[in-house]
Amino acid sequence: LAKTTQPISMDSYEGQEVNITCSHNNIATNDYITWYQQFPSQGPRFIIQGYKTKVTNEVASLFIPADRKSSTLSLPRVSLSDTAVYYCLVGGGRDDKIIFGKGTRLHILP
Amino acid sequence: GAVVSQHPSRVICKSGTSVKIECRSLDFQATTMFWYRQFPKQSLMLMATSNEGSKATYEQGVEKDKFLINHASLTLSTLTVTSAHPEDSSFYICSATGLAGAPSYNEQFFGPGTRLTVL
Repeated sequence: LAKTTQPISMDSYEGQEVNITCSHNNIATNDYITWYQQFPSQGPRFIIQGYKTKVTNEVASLFIPADRKSSTLSLPRVSLSDTAVYYCLVGGGRDDKIIFGKGTRLHILP
Repeated sequence: GAVVSQHPSRVICKSGTSVKIECRSLDFQATTMFWYRQFPKQSLMLMATSNEGSKATYEQGVEKDKFLINHASLTLSTLTVTSAHPEDSSFYICSATGLAGAPSYNEQFFGPGTRLTVL
């Protein structure tokens, strides 16, 4: 299982774009990259998933360079409600167990 | 989207008692369910992986006789904390992966979690 490394915490302001980068140097060929969001006392919530290049959905974008050794989650125009912990995970299959890293604690300021 | 529920959401029990936590996939059949434990300000720690109709696979360091997992159907898995002690107090979260048709290749759907407090 590929290990991931993320910043422990980040601060930003409402309305700003936030980019959180994750390193996964040992990513395997069949691994996908998935990001989850977790609020206190709640289960993680899926944000976005990708394999290479760029993926965009209604809440975020995911940028993956050609070597796939890192990925960047981009949250456009954040609000106070985006304050949460964000986890970057890599895995290769539907039933693969997911090992959570420490995540990034994002704090949005008014 | 796929919904996973947990019951109860919160439980307080006395030391030495057993507590059962249910995890249900409400609108899909879950081939695999995972159980996690999360202590305050820490990340989720995988405890075990369970597949319907077979024995659970426990992570290293997790006592299988203390944390009993039953995955009796494609929509229900239970975690029983036997002879609970204060150090078992934690936030327990389950997740599930569905049959073919999940919107994302490796997406796990997480339950809302169960807060266990052992006095």
